[in-house]
Parts: sequence; C-alpha cells; structure tokens
Amino acid sequence: KAGVTQTPRYLIKTRGQQVTLSCSPISGHRSVSWYQQTPGQGLQFLFEYFSETQRNKGNFPGRFSGRQFSNSRSEMNVSTLELGDSALYLCASRETANTGELFFGEGSRLTVL
Amino acid sequence: AQSVTQPDIHITVSEGASLELRCNYSYGATPYLFWYVQSPGQGLQLLLKYFSGDTLVQGIKGFEAEFKRSQSSFNLRKPSVHWSDAAEYFCAVGAAGYSTLTFGKGTMLLVSP
Repeated sequence: KAGVTQTPRYLIKTRGQQVTLSCSPISGHRSVSWYQQTPGQGLQFLFEYFSETQRNKGNFPGRFSGRQFSNSRSEMNVSTLELGDSALYLCASRETANTGELFFGEGSRLTVL
Repeated sequence: AQSVTQPDIHITVSEGASLELRCNYSYGATPYLFWYVQSPGQGLQLLLKYFSGDTLVQGIKGFEAEFKRSQSSFNLRKPSVHWSDAAEYFCAVGAAGYSTLTFGKGTMLLVSP
C-alpha cells in the first residue's frame, strides 16, 4: 500500500505570493492532518480534515487554509507569504478521525525569499 | 493544555551502547503517547505508541518505551544503538479521540563509532 504522498517536495516563493500544497493519503484513510515544522517552533498543528469537513484548526492566521476532496486528497493554501512561513509542511493521514496513529508523508519544503 | 518536554536537545551515544531518551508530558487525563523518528529530509516515522494496557510497549527497530503515570514520563529505550539510528526523535501526546498531537521539540541522536 502506498504511503502518504506530498507534492511538491520542494518549492521557492517570494514574499506576497501564494502557495498550494497537495497531499494524497494512504488508500482508505479518510482523515488528513497538516503540521508545520520549523527549527524555532518545532511541529505545530495546522488543521485536520475528515470527510471533507475541517474537524479542528490550530492557532494560525487566516492566510493558512485547507480543504479536502471527496477522494480524501487534501490541499493547503498559504496566501500573502511571509518570510516566517518558510518551513517543512507535513501531511499525515489515518483511517478515522477519532483513533489510530498518524502516518506522515515526507513533507513539502517551502522557502520564502 | 497538554505539553511535552524533551529535556535533551542532543545526545551522543557510542555504537553498541544503550540509549534512553526522556519525555515528560503534561495532560489531565490518560494520554495517548507516541514516539516518532525523523531522518534528515524525511517525514516522521512512528516507532511505537501507547494507548492503554501494558505500560511497557514494544516498537519497531528494537525500540521500547515505558509509560509511568506517576512520573508523567514516556521514555524511549534501546539496548544497543546502531549507526543507522542517528536521527531526530519526537515524543508526542494526544487525548483519547484526539484530533491533534502535541509534539516535543525533539532530541537529536548522534551515534559515534
């Protein structure tokens, strides 16, 4: 069974631009979570989606948004990029929304110049 | 609010020596506890988890961890470290039916010959 797939793996943007990251969960997994990883703040929860509905949201500004499609694939979008948005964005999936462990993808490395 | 403390930022262990990585958590009820490992440029891989039951849990790659409620700890151990174990290790806590995991800042393990 294929793992969690994130695209693109690496990208470079400039301040003010926007970016969309994609995540394909493990087949059969209906819950997708997103985390931001930075050297200073560590791993921080962004949001979780289950059955196309946002179940929970972390403490991030409204510039960070996401969605989930009927096939469980998820995208996150960051608008009006700031230098501080440079990070590794990790997607994780699990079968349900209430139990089980998270399986992480390899991440999308975003650099904002 | 839940929190996780990993007191050691870096640890160096000789190959073949034993390893213990410390993790202390703060949570009001019985937590779900996890250890993940991250190699450079990679996502997070689950080593082991504790949900309930036996407080000594076995994981992959020869790792084990012990849940000690009285000490609010979930330390990770391995009897004999291999050079391939060099990576960053993250402890995480979640509530039952969790939507989000709270991660520690991580411990970087260096293995010397």
